[in-house]
Amino acid sequence: GAVVSQHPSRVICKSGTSVKIECRSLDFQATTMFWYRQFPKQSLMLMATSNEGSKATYEQGVEKDKFLINHASLTLSTLTVTSAHPEDSSFYICSASRGTVYTDTQYFGPGTRLTVL
Amino acid sequence: QKEVEQDPGPLSVPEGAIVSLNCTYSNSAFQYFMWYRQYSRKGPELLMYTYSSGNKEDGRFTAQVDKSSKYISLFIRDSQPSDSATYLCAMIRIQGAQKLVFGQGTRLTINP
Repeated sequence: GAVVSQHPSRVICKSGTSVKIECRSLDFQATTMFWYRQFPKQSLMLMATSNEGSKATYEQGVEKDKFLINHASLTLSTLTVTSAHPEDSSFYICSASRGTVYTDTQYFGPGTRLTVL
Repeated sequence: QKEVEQDPGPLSVPEGAIVSLNCTYSNSAFQYFMWYRQYSRKGPELLMYTYSSGNKEDGRFTAQVDKSSKYISLFIRDSQPSDSATYLCAMIRIQGAQKLVFGQGTRLTINP
C-alpha cells in the first residue's frame, strides 16, 4: 500500500498564533509532497509542491511567508501556518508521490481541519 | 470559466442503480485523467487513472474518456450505500503548469 498520515487531524487556535501540520508517508519514500487547501463544498486547490531537501514551489497567490513548508526527509513534510487568521480556517490536505513528475500517482493524507478563532 | 467543470450535485440514487458522473474540461493539454473518492472529512482516494480515450474497467467502476469532446465519465454499477461519497475528477496537463487540477466534486448518496 501507500499510506499517508497527517497530524493533527483537527486543530483550533487563536488568531495570531502559528500552527504546524505534519504529513508523513508511512510505507514509501516520498520524493515529492504536495499541500492542498479545500474550502467547504469546494475542490482541492494546490498550494505548493515540495521536494526533499529543496525549497517548496508555491502556487500563484499563496503567501510563502505565511505558509512555511519544510520537506526535511523522504517521509516527512510540514506546513506551518504563521500568524493564523480566521480566513485561514480550512481543510488542509497533503499528498505524497514516489516520483518527481506530476503524472506519478499522488497518495493523499486524511486532512487536517484548522479552525482559527 | 473553470478549466474543469463538474456538477456538484447532490446526486441521490437507489441502491443497485447505475451511477454516471461526468466532467468536462476546456484545455486540450489535459491528457491524464483520474477519479478520486472522498468520504466526509477524509482525504481523496484514487479510484481510476486513465490516459487514453476509451473505457477502463475496474470491478464495478468504469472510467470513460472522450478527448475529442473533452469529456470524462465514471460509471458505478450495482451501486452500494458504501459508495456514498464525493467523487472528484482530476486531470494533468502535459503543457504549461503541470499540476493536478480537480473538479469541484459531485456529492453522491446511495439510498438503501
